[in-house]
Amino acid sequence: EIVMTQSPATLSVSPGERATLSCRASQSVSSNLAWHQQKPGQGPRLLIYGASTRATGTPARFSGSGSGTEFTLTISSLQSEDFAVYYCQQYNDWPQTFGQGTKVEIK
Amino acid sequence: QVQLQESGPGLVKPSETLSLTCTVSGGSVSSSSYYWSWIRQPPGKGLECIGSIYYNGNTNYNPSLKSRVAISVDTSNNQFSLKLSSVTTADTAVYFCARKISGLYFEDYWGPGTLVTVSS
Repeated sequence: EIVMTQSPATLSVSPGERATLSCRASQSVSSNLAWHQQKPGQGPRLLIYGASTRATGTPARFSGSGSGTEFTLTISSLQSEDFAVYYCQQYNDWPQTFGQGTKVEIK
Repeated sequence: QVQLQESGPGLVKPSETLSLTCTVSGGSVSSSSYYWSWIRQPPGKGLECIGSIYYNGNTNYNPSLKSRVAISVDTSNNQFSLKLSSVTTADTAVYFCARKISGLYFEDYWGPGTLVTVSS
């Protein structure tokens, strides 16, 4: 199965600053990559699919890029509600697999 | 807007069968536009796909769990269900149900999750 590796494990950022999260696939997943946000005690929420397409309701400050094996999620100006754990998910091959997550915390 | 809600026992004994149900509102499990998924998250760990089912009963299971998993759909009650047999403590996790768009295969709506603990 495809292994997804996210970095860093934890990112400490001040409100208003930019956050850049990385996701690497062990083999090419084309653009079949999604990003999900998870807050404590909640189910994940889809943010981005197709590597760069924002899901309905995703604020414009979230952007995704990349293809093949290297992907990035950028949050241009962190708001208080953005502090959460972010997971990348490849859906190019079955079983679909997730990264271990990046926790974005308040600096 | 579609909503999903997991339900079932929070405690299961080792070697027994874990059974969970997901109730869907605001959408139909009979729609040909979606698959319906189960995903789990062990405490402090990442997410793992268990499997999914289409409205016609076609299923896909994670090979690592395939011998122990069964997912079914109940169109009359707009629900789908998970059974995981011969559980061990390694199956302790928060279990999520989710909707997956047919042809795209990523989850677009998730339930809040339910914690299942395997312990004697």
